[in-house]
Amino acid sequence: DAKTTQPPSMDCAEGRAANLPCNHSTISGNEYVYWYRQIHSQGPQYIIHGLKNNETNEMASLIITEDRKSSTLILPHATLRDTAVYYCIGGLTDKLIFGTGTRLQVFP
Amino acid sequence: DAGVIQSPRHEVTEMGQEVTLRCKPISGHNSLFWYRQTMMRGLELLIYFNNNVPIDDSGMPEDRFSAKMPNASFSTLKIQPSEPRDSAVYFCASSPPGLTPRDRYNEQFFGPGTRLTVL
Repeated sequence: DAKTTQPPSMDCAEGRAANLPCNHSTISGNEYVYWYRQIHSQGPQYIIHGLKNNETNEMASLIITEDRKSSTLILPHATLRDTAVYYCIGGLTDKLIFGTGTRLQVFP
Repeated sequence: DAGVIQSPRHEVTEMGQEVTLRCKPISGHNSLFWYRQTMMRGLELLIYFNNNVPIDDSGMPEDRFSAKMPNASFSTLKIQPSEPRDSAVYFCASSPPGLTPRDRYNEQFFGPGTRLTVL
């Protein structure tokens, strides 16, 4: 599984876009990039995943660089409910190794 | 859909006692995962099952921990004997079969967790 590096914390104003970076320089060609988040006292929640192409769903967008060594999760219009720890995970199917993540604080 | 169900939600026990945590995965899911989360160590994968068979138990801390999945709708994680350092939140997660071998990905659905305190 790829080792990922994320900033420990970030702030974002409500209504603005939150851009969360992740470095996964050791990712192999067949490993997906997953993003999960964990709101306080809850279990982690899947957000989005990608392999090579950029992806978008109702929650977020995922931008993966062409060399696949890094990615950015974009929450286009952050709300207070998006305050959580965001985990970037590089891995094959069936097994996810969670790192320490980025604690995103959305403020009014 | 009820989601992943875990019981109990909270458990307080004394050192040396046996603790059993229970998990009901989402119907139709064929993979089940047990995680442990502490402030010091973060979220750790303990063991996972695929089609009721344990695939990887390398994260199980020691012989005091055991997990079973007797059928597709039920799994247990047992700690015997329990110790104060086992205090943590234990999460169970399940995931569905892959769509196709080419597009298979792993979206895990987590339960609410069991907060275990060992005194």
